[in-house]
Amino acid sequence: QKEVEQNSGPLSVPEGAIASLNCTYSDRGSQSFFWYRQYSGKSPELIMFIYSNGDKEDGRFTAQLNKASQYVSLLIRDSQPSDSATYLCAVNGYGTYKYIFGTGTRLKVLA
Amino acid sequence: DAGVIQSPRHEVTEMGQEVTLRCKPISGHNSLFWYRQTMMRGLELLIYFNNNVPIDDSGMPEDRFSAKMPNASFSTLKIQPSEPRDSAVYFCASSLVVGGDNNEQFFGPGTRLTVL
Repeated sequence: QKEVEQNSGPLSVPEGAIASLNCTYSDRGSQSFFWYRQYSGKSPELIMFIYSNGDKEDGRFTAQLNKASQYVSLLIRDSQPSDSATYLCAVNGYGTYKYIFGTGTRLKVLA
Repeated sequence: DAGVIQSPRHEVTEMGQEVTLRCKPISGHNSLFWYRQTMMRGLELLIYFNNNVPIDDSGMPEDRFSAKMPNASFSTLKIQPSEPRDSAVYFCASSLVVGGDNNEQFFGPGTRLTVL
């Protein structure tokens, strides 16, 4: 079992719709959770982080964490073509600086 | 701030040659990470340093790979000898870790390595 799993996609949604990206992780001791966006040919950039159960909202983005079920998700409201990218989930274990990344979900927002 | 700086941006070399990738972290950051990204395996952590000391090199694929951080503003990743399967994008990232839960990593632009 991979430590951090994501559906590779592509996930296609029409412009203006809600895109839902999911991530599961295997280490119950994981403490912090991050969503990075990576455009083709570019480096990953942080969108959001979350470390408490529940929802965290930032503009059009909402991160959701459920530690009991070991999943974290990212919702993108009012999706725009400019949101088309690969979204990487990263998990940070307790007492360590290292992230474990998922392989990413490719999102395509159709105009 | 210039962000994380990596050089070269592109490297094409022949199998058996030595390759050296360079990274300058963001000033003031105390942790530095080297990643490799391929389509098949995604983004893999190779090694990370904290306060210039290697903390975890379990991701280094084999002895052909080595990394150094002689000071807080410079790190190298060396592959000797290089092989075609080393072809990938290599990212360097840095962060400021002072405890707490948010230790955002900032990524450099990457080095695209092609080994023929």
